Amino acid sequence: AQSVSQHNHHVILSEAASLELGCNYSYGGTVNLFWYVQYPGQHLQLLLKYFSGDPLVKGIKGFEAEFIKSKFSFNLRKPSVQWSDTAEYFCAVRDTGGFKTIFGAGTRLFVKA
Amino acid sequence: NAGVTQTPKFQVLKTGQSMTLQCAQDMNHEYMSWYRQDPGMGLRLIHYSVGAGITDQGEVPNGYNVSRSTTEDFPLRLLSAAPSQTSVYFCASSRTEDQPQHFGDGTRLSIL
Repeated sequence: AQSVSQHNHHVILSEAASLELGCNYSYGGTVNLFWYVQYPGQHLQLLLKYFSGDPLVKGIKGFEAEFIKSKFSFNLRKPSVQWSDTAEYFCAVRDTGGFKTIFGAGTRLFVKA
Repeated sequence: NAGVTQTPKFQVLKTGQSMTLQCAQDMNHEYMSWYRQDPGMGLRLIHYSVGAGITDQGEVPNGYNVSRSTTEDFPLRLLSAAPSQTSVYFCASSRTEDQPQHFGDGTRLSIL
């Protein structure tokens, strides 16, 4: 069965620090990969996605993620975080042959001003 | 364009009561899903639908029923509420199976 593992449940950073959130998945087939963000009191929004092609994908608000197929990883990065990046971040995986999307447990990021 | 609309936003039930969480989307999306969000467990898929009249089970379907009589609506029914079903419920939709999902604002449900 598919599963998604996010390495950190809570991350605390100061503004301007660099961010990397880990995501590993277990699935033997071809997958679509997503990062969603949930700001306090809001619903989930798509941050970025990977379907095929260049394994380095860029999303909104300066976020990017790199798909490393050999490591089954899809880590999220941002060179310099802002206080407004405080949110919960979810990695998600979907089998390209189906519709079921499996989410990781989420990582709560708190950025100190 | 309202997107995905969930009602109610908050609900408190007693154990054994039944209720329906409503979800409606106005984007003509074929694919719709229900998730529950619990601390430390992320979002878990309850049921999903790939079009009107077609539904299937997700990871945690027990205790929940769904139906999809129209493209727009995808209600989630709790048959006999249990405290373990206390959670935040999100409905999501997407145009096709390979497009990202649009999420509603969620329903916070407490079962006493």
